[in-house]
Amino acid sequence: GEDVEQSLFLSVREGDSSVINCTYTDSSSTYLYWYKQEPGAGLQLLTYIFSNMDMKQDQRLTVLLNKKDKHLSLRIADTQTGDSAIYFCAEKGGAGSYQLTFGKGTKLSVIP
Amino acid sequence: GAGVSQSPSNKVTEKGKDVELRCDPISGHTALYWYRQSLGQGLEFLIYFQGNSAPDKSGLPSDRFSAERTGGSVSTLTIQRTQQEDSAVYLCASSLAMNTEAFFGQGTRLTVV
Repeated sequence: GEDVEQSLFLSVREGDSSVINCTYTDSSSTYLYWYKQEPGAGLQLLTYIFSNMDMKQDQRLTVLLNKKDKHLSLRIADTQTGDSAIYFCAEKGGAGSYQLTFGKGTKLSVIP
Repeated sequence: GAGVSQSPSNKVTEKGKDVELRCDPISGHTALYWYRQSLGQGLEFLIYFQGNSAPDKSGLPSDRFSAERTGGSVSTLTIQRTQQEDSAVYLCASSLAMNTEAFFGQGTRLTVV
């Protein structure tokens, strides 16, 4: 089946930029998503990118997509302690697809 | 409602008992999804509803799991004869249509003792 891979942990200092990386295998992916999960909470949709785009910026968040390499990244500028959470990369397949395939999540720890 | 609502938020049950988990999707959302989040397993897709129909039940792990949706709104996930390996967070999501972004509820943390 299709697969989404992420590194499990990332630690950054407050004020620095964080970059969370993700790779996926489904070449027919239409949308790629980043979700944030804080302790004890559900998943919050942060941003998404359509597969025909290579970059999307939304305030402190920048998403980069390299479709050739099937590589997605999420950059958080000026990382704050409130950004500490688990970040999930997810992809949705081709036309008619509804199921999201998730990575196992990257736990971001922000050091004050 | 304003968001996807799930109840209960936490459930502790004895092995062998049946449990029902409830999901209230965002009003007007026709698509509804159940996922399971287990330690070390990430998020697994369980089932998808379009309206009241479930065209894809392929993710349900065993025949002890079933789900229904009524009135194109509330959905219930039922686990019969619970086992310890059923312990997980069960997440529900809804979307306006099949190909639009999904919004998740807070989840139900199920612990089978």
